[in-house]
Amino acid sequence: ETGVTQTPRHLVMGMTNKKSLKCEQHLGHNAMYWYKQSAKKPLELMFVYSLEERVENNSVPSRFSPECPNSSHLFLHLHTLQPEDSALYLCASSQDLFDRTEAFFGQGTRLTVV
Amino acid sequence: DAKTTQPNSMESNEEEPVHLPCNHSTISGTDYIHWYRQLPSQGPEYVIHGLTSNVNNRMASLAIAEDRKSSTLILHRATLRDAAVYYCIPSYSGAGSYQLTFGKGTKLSVIP
Repeated sequence: ETGVTQTPRHLVMGMTNKKSLKCEQHLGHNAMYWYKQSAKKPLELMFVYSLEERVENNSVPSRFSPECPNSSHLFLHLHTLQPEDSALYLCASSQDLFDRTEAFFGQGTRLTVV
Repeated sequence: DAKTTQPNSMESNEEEPVHLPCNHSTISGTDYIHWYRQLPSQGPEYVIHGLTSNVNNRMASLAIAEDRKSSTLILHRATLRDAAVYYCIPSYSGAGSYQLTFGKGTKLSVIP
């Protein structure tokens, strides 16, 4: 139990569906992140939020849309995904944006696009 | 970002010490060295981090070379639960930046 909770743990969706992934932390952290982990590939940083403002967007397709309504919650809205988007999506948080603090990761959402 | 080189895989016997090496020859003077690990079917887990001097915590020790171009994560007594992929991540520590960039890591197998 890391203090970062992701739901759902598993999700199967069709290419025309719209779904959302949720991440929640009650650690009092100010920074939250979305990572993608595809099979046999390293983790890829997708989005970074600090104090509810997006500070980094690593060339992610627009079919992925993040939302950070408050410092405890982070969403990843998904629409018209492709089968190659099937992956483990991981949320993380850290006390602040500077990388000298440790990051806490959730257990991830295993997404399958059919 | 500093590039890293880690062995693809390593094996250890249970209850033996494990030394996991990492080369980061392009590291800058202000880059911290972080180690994370990822157990099967879980998200990454923080292990330890340091800047110049060696660091110890309840999970592991981190030995940093004097020139900072390499580091070694030391697990003092490997257990089956330590079987995971270990990532060495030098990262820029400048204000307003967050670059925790994962490579392929070292897959550690622990033999009972």
